[in-house]
Amino acid sequence: EIVMTQSPATLSVSPGERATLSCRASQSVSSNLAWYQQKPGQAPRLLIYGAFTRATGIPARFTGSGSGTEFTLTVTSLQSEDFAVYYCQQYNNWPWTFGQGTKVEVK
Amino acid sequence: EVQLVESGGGLVQPGGSLRLSCSASGFTFNNYAMHWVRQAPGKGLEYVSTISSYGGTTYYADSVKGRFTISRDNSKNTLYLQMSSLRAEDTAAYYCVKSDSSGWYDYWGQGTLVTVSS
Repeated sequence: EIVMTQSPATLSVSPGERATLSCRASQSVSSNLAWYQQKPGQAPRLLIYGAFTRATGIPARFTGSGSGTEFTLTVTSLQSEDFAVYYCQQYNNWPWTFGQGTKVEVK
Repeated sequence: EVQLVESGGGLVQPGGSLRLSCSASGFTFNNYAMHWVRQAPGKGLEYVSTISSYGGTTYYADSVKGRFTISRDNSKNTLYLQMSSLRAEDTAAYYCVKSDSSGWYDYWGQGTLVTVSS
């Protein structure tokens, strides 16, 4: 099973600033990496798939990058609605596995 | 509009059984694999099970293998998860999830809460 490790666990950022979230895979997952956003009391929402392709309706301030074992989600100019927990997930090797999440909180 | 609506959650005693359902609409149900993902209170996301578009192939996380059974009724656009021998550690919100044909999870239901407690 591929282990996905996200860092940091918590990221404190001021509104309007940039947030950079990392996700590392224990072995290569090529570009088969997705990012999800989850707000309290809500289901996760797909943000990014294929490592860098934004899902329908996702603002351009969300950018995914990386391949192989190292991936990054960057949120430029954080808005109030962006404070949430973010998960990465690999879908290259069965079973699909998630990272433990990064909570982006208001500084 | 894609909609996934779970039902069937509730309080069950350890060792008991429960069947979750997920009613799907807004897409051609029998074209897509479907999944269950769970989230224990205050914890992260955990993969549970997958069923192929016509139900011929299923996968399970090791933590539920032999206890849970995923199935689907394409004539009713409904996904199921039969859970038995439930344990306290199965307590979680269970999400019904549709995947794109390439693998990522593009739509999630709102979740149904399963609580295993005496």
